[in-house]
Amino acid sequence: EAGVAQSPRYKIIEKRQSVAFWCNPISGHATLYWYQQILGQGPKLLIQFQNNGVVDDSQLPKDRFSAERLKGVDSTLKIQPAKLEDSAVYLCASSFLAGRGGTDTQYFGPGTRLTVL
Amino acid sequence: AQSVAQPEDQVNVAEGNPLTVKCTYSVSGNPYLFWYVQYPNRGLQFLLKYITGDNLVKGSYGFEAEFNKSQTSFHLKKPSALVSDSALYFCAGLFTGGGNKLTFGTGTQLKVEL
Repeated sequence: EAGVAQSPRYKIIEKRQSVAFWCNPISGHATLYWYQQILGQGPKLLIQFQNNGVVDDSQLPKDRFSAERLKGVDSTLKIQPAKLEDSAVYLCASSFLAGRGGTDTQYFGPGTRLTVL
Repeated sequence: AQSVAQPEDQVNVAEGNPLTVKCTYSVSGNPYLFWYVQYPNRGLQFLLKYITGDNLVKGSYGFEAEFNKSQTSFHLKKPSALVSDSALYFCAGLFTGGGNKLTFGTGTQLKVEL
Protein backbone atom coordinates (compact mmCIF):
# COMPACT_ATOMS: atom_id res chain seq x y z
CA GLU A 1 0.00 0.00 0.00
CA ALA A 2 1.41 3.37 -1.01
CA GLY A 3 1.88 5.91 1.75
CA VAL A 4 1.10 9.61 1.89
CA ALA A 5 2.93 11.46 -0.88
CA GLN A 6 4.11 15.05 -0.62
CA SER A 7 5.95 17.41 -2.92
CA PRO A 8 8.23 19.19 -3.09
CA ARG A 9 10.49 17.76 -0.39
CA TYR A 10 12.44 21.00 0.00
CA LYS A 11 11.70 24.62 -0.87
CA ILE A 12 13.69 27.80 -0.34
CA ILE A 13 12.01 31.16 -0.95
CA GLU A 14 12.47 34.82 -0.10
CA LYS A 15 10.13 36.45 2.37
CA ARG A 16 6.99 37.92 0.83
CA GLN A 17 7.04 35.29 -1.93
CA SER A 18 4.35 32.67 -2.28
CA VAL A 19 4.69 28.90 -2.10
CA ALA A 20 2.44 25.87 -2.51
CA PHE A 21 2.68 22.33 -1.20
CA TRP A 22 0.91 19.27 -2.55
CA CYS A 23 -0.31 16.16 -0.76
CA ASN A 24 -1.79 12.88 -1.99
CA PRO A 25 -3.23 10.81 0.87
CA ILE A 26 -3.44 7.06 1.20
CA SER A 27 -6.08 5.70 -1.16
CA GLY A 28 -9.50 5.53 0.49
CA HIS A 29 -8.63 7.81 3.39
CA ALA A 30 -11.42 10.30 3.92
CA THR A 31 -9.64 12.60 6.34
CA LEU A 32 -6.59 14.70 5.50
CA TYR A 33 -4.54 16.90 7.81
CA TRP A 34 -1.87 19.55 7.37
CA TYR A 35 0.59 20.08 10.22
CA GLN A 36 3.36 22.62 10.78
CA GLN A 37 6.46 21.39 12.60
CA ILE A 38 8.87 24.10 13.71
CA LEU A 39 12.37 22.94 14.59
CA GLY A 40 12.51 21.59 18.13
CA GLN A 41 8.74 21.35 18.51
CA GLY A 42 6.02 18.79 17.95
CA PRO A 43 3.73 19.10 14.93
CA LYS A 44 0.84 21.54 15.21
CA LEU A 45 -2.40 21.00 13.29
CA LEU A 46 -3.14 23.71 10.75
CA ILE A 47 -6.23 22.32 9.02
CA GLN A 48 -8.28 19.12 8.85
CA PHE A 49 -10.45 18.05 5.92
CA GLN A 50 -13.11 15.38 5.84
CA ASN A 51 -13.56 14.51 2.18
CA ASN A 52 -13.59 17.99 0.59
CA GLY A 53 -15.00 19.87 3.59
CA VAL A 54 -13.06 21.67 6.34
CA VAL A 55 -13.52 20.16 9.82
CA ASP A 56 -11.07 22.32 11.76
CA ASP A 57 -9.01 25.29 10.64
CA SER A 58 -8.86 27.10 13.97
CA GLN A 59 -5.05 27.28 13.98
CA LEU A 60 -4.59 28.23 10.33
CA PRO A 61 -3.30 31.83 9.89
CA LYS A 62 -5.96 32.69 7.38
CA ASP A 63 -4.47 36.04 6.43
CA ARG A 64 -1.64 34.24 4.65
CA PHE A 65 -2.36 30.51 4.60
CA SER A 66 -4.97 28.76 2.50
CA ALA A 67 -5.73 25.13 1.74
CA GLU A 68 -8.10 23.23 -0.47
CA ARG A 69 -9.13 19.68 -1.22
CA LEU A 70 -11.45 20.20 -4.12
CA LYS A 71 -12.22 16.62 -5.17
CA GLY A 72 -11.81 15.02 -1.76
CA VAL A 73 -8.48 13.42 -2.61
CA ASP A 74 -5.38 15.58 -3.24
CA SER A 75 -4.81 18.75 -1.28
CA THR A 76 -2.71 21.88 -1.64
CA LEU A 77 -1.53 24.23 1.09
CA LYS A 78 -0.49 27.73 0.06
CA ILE A 79 1.35 30.50 1.87
CA GLN A 80 1.14 34.03 0.47
CA PRO A 81 3.08 36.07 1.40
CA ALA A 82 5.62 34.04 3.35
CA LYS A 83 7.28 35.33 6.52
CA LEU A 84 10.55 34.30 8.12
CA GLU A 85 8.66 32.54 10.93
CA ASP A 86 6.98 30.24 8.39
CA SER A 87 10.24 28.30 8.08
CA ALA A 88 9.24 24.80 9.17
CA VAL A 89 8.44 21.31 7.96
CA TYR A 90 4.91 20.98 6.61
CA LEU A 91 3.51 17.52 7.16
CA CYS A 92 0.47 16.00 5.53
CA ALA A 93 -1.33 13.10 7.17
CA SER A 94 -4.40 11.02 6.39
CA SER A 95 -6.71 8.65 8.23
CA PHE A 96 -9.38 6.24 7.05
CA LEU A 97 -12.35 7.04 9.24
CA ALA A 98 -14.23 10.26 8.82
CA GLY A 99 -15.93 12.42 11.40
CA ARG A 100 -15.19 13.94 14.79
CA GLY A 101 -14.20 11.76 17.68
CA GLY A 102 -12.62 9.11 15.53
CA THR A 103 -9.57 7.43 17.01
CA ASP A 104 -8.23 6.11 13.76
CA THR A 105 -4.48 6.28 13.24
CA GLN A 106 -3.07 9.16 11.26
CA TYR A 107 -0.36 8.25 8.74
CA PHE A 108 2.15 10.91 7.80
CA GLY A 109 3.95 11.82 4.61
CA PRO A 110 7.68 12.68 4.48
CA GLY A 111 7.02 16.42 4.75
CA THR A 112 8.15 19.53 2.91
CA ARG A 113 10.96 21.50 4.50
CA LEU A 114 10.40 25.21 3.84
CA THR A 115 13.13 27.78 4.38
CA VAL A 116 12.16 31.45 4.14
CA LEU A 117 15.11 33.82 3.71
CA ALA B 1 -6.14 22.56 29.01
CA GLN B 2 -5.50 19.11 27.61
CA SER B 3 -1.84 18.45 26.99
CA VAL B 4 0.91 15.92 26.57
CA ALA B 5 4.36 16.32 28.09
CA GLN B 6 7.66 14.62 27.42
CA PRO B 7 9.89 15.58 30.34
CA GLU B 8 13.19 14.50 28.75
CA ASP B 9 14.68 16.24 25.73
CA GLN B 10 17.20 13.44 25.26
CA VAL B 11 17.65 9.88 26.44
CA ASN B 12 20.93 8.01 26.08
CA VAL B 13 21.13 4.24 26.39
CA ALA B 14 23.65 1.55 25.54
CA GLU B 15 22.78 -0.98 22.86
CA GLY B 16 21.27 -4.09 24.38
CA ASN B 17 19.98 -2.27 27.45
CA PRO B 18 16.29 -1.60 28.05
CA LEU B 19 15.02 1.84 27.10
CA THR B 20 12.20 4.01 28.39
CA VAL B 21 10.93 7.23 26.86
CA LYS B 22 8.54 9.06 29.17
CA CYS B 23 5.19 10.68 28.42
CA THR B 24 2.59 12.16 30.73
CA TYR B 25 -0.78 13.63 29.91
CA SER B 26 -3.26 16.04 31.38
CA VAL B 27 -6.91 15.58 30.43
CA SER B 28 -10.34 15.64 32.00
CA GLY B 29 -11.89 12.87 29.91
CA ASN B 30 -10.66 9.67 28.31
CA PRO B 31 -7.28 9.97 26.61
CA TYR B 32 -6.34 8.19 23.44
CA LEU B 33 -2.56 8.08 23.27
CA PHE B 34 -0.11 7.48 20.44
CA TRP B 35 3.61 7.10 19.91
CA TYR B 36 5.33 8.14 16.68
CA VAL B 37 8.99 8.02 15.65
CA GLN B 38 10.73 10.45 13.31
CA TYR B 39 14.00 9.71 11.55
CA PRO B 40 16.03 12.58 10.02
CA ASN B 41 14.36 14.12 6.96
CA ARG B 42 11.46 11.68 7.25
CA GLY B 43 7.86 12.02 8.30
CA LEU B 44 6.41 10.55 11.46
CA GLN B 45 6.00 6.79 11.58
CA PHE B 46 3.26 5.28 13.73
CA LEU B 47 4.49 2.91 16.46
CA LEU B 48 1.48 2.13 18.65
CA LYS B 49 -1.65 3.49 20.28
CA TYR B 50 -3.80 3.06 23.36
CA ILE B 51 -7.55 3.42 22.91
CA THR B 52 -9.05 1.12 25.52
CA GLY B 53 -8.56 -2.33 27.03
CA ASP B 54 -5.24 -3.84 28.06
CA ASN B 55 -2.94 -1.25 29.59
CA LEU B 56 0.11 -2.80 27.93
CA VAL B 57 0.16 -2.03 24.22
CA LYS B 58 2.54 -3.74 21.81
CA GLY B 59 3.62 -2.00 18.64
CA SER B 60 6.07 -2.03 15.77
CA TYR B 61 9.80 -2.87 15.94
CA GLY B 62 9.55 -4.47 19.39
CA PHE B 63 8.27 -1.36 21.15
CA GLU B 64 5.56 -1.40 23.79
CA ALA B 65 3.93 1.18 26.01
CA GLU B 66 2.11 1.02 29.32
CA PHE B 67 -0.92 3.15 30.03
CA ASN B 68 -1.10 4.12 33.70
CA LYS B 69 -4.23 6.06 34.57
CA SER B 70 -3.29 6.77 38.20
CA GLN B 71 0.04 8.28 37.17
CA THR B 72 -1.37 9.79 33.92
CA SER B 73 1.53 8.29 32.01
CA PHE B 74 2.11 6.42 28.78
CA HIS B 75 5.81 5.52 28.73
CA LEU B 76 7.37 3.89 25.67
CA LYS B 77 9.62 0.90 26.33
CA LYS B 78 11.78 -1.65 24.58
CA PRO B 79 13.54 -4.54 26.32
CA SER B 80 16.75 -4.32 24.26
CA ALA B 81 17.75 -1.16 22.41
CA LEU B 82 19.36 -1.12 18.98
CA VAL B 83 21.57 1.58 17.48
CA SER B 84 18.98 1.83 14.69
CA ASP B 85 16.38 2.92 17.27
CA SER B 86 18.17 6.27 17.53
CA ALA B 87 15.58 8.82 16.43
CA LEU B 88 13.15 11.48 17.65
CA TYR B 89 10.12 10.09 19.47
CA PHE B 90 6.81 11.90 19.87
CA CYS B 91 3.96 11.13 22.22
CA ALA B 92 0.55 12.45 21.14
CA GLY B 93 -2.89 12.57 22.66
CA LEU B 94 -6.33 12.65 21.12
CA PHE B 95 -8.74 13.84 23.75
CA THR B 96 -12.46 13.25 24.08
CA GLY B 97 -14.41 16.04 22.44
CA GLY B 98 -11.43 17.19 20.44
CA GLY B 99 -12.32 15.49 17.20
CA ASN B 100 -9.48 13.57 15.65
CA LYS B 101 -7.03 16.31 16.56
CA LEU B 102 -3.68 15.12 17.84
CA THR B 103 -1.83 17.15 20.44
CA PHE B 104 1.89 16.35 20.34
CA GLY B 105 4.56 16.51 22.99
CA THR B 106 7.81 18.31 22.27
CA GLY B 107 9.67 15.13 21.41
CA THR B 108 12.49 13.11 22.98
CA GLN B 109 15.72 12.43 21.12
CA LEU B 110 16.80 8.85 21.75
CA LYS B 111 20.47 8.03 21.25
CA VAL B 112 21.54 4.40 21.41
CA GLU B 113 25.30 3.92 21.61
CA LEU B 114 27.49 0.87 21.09
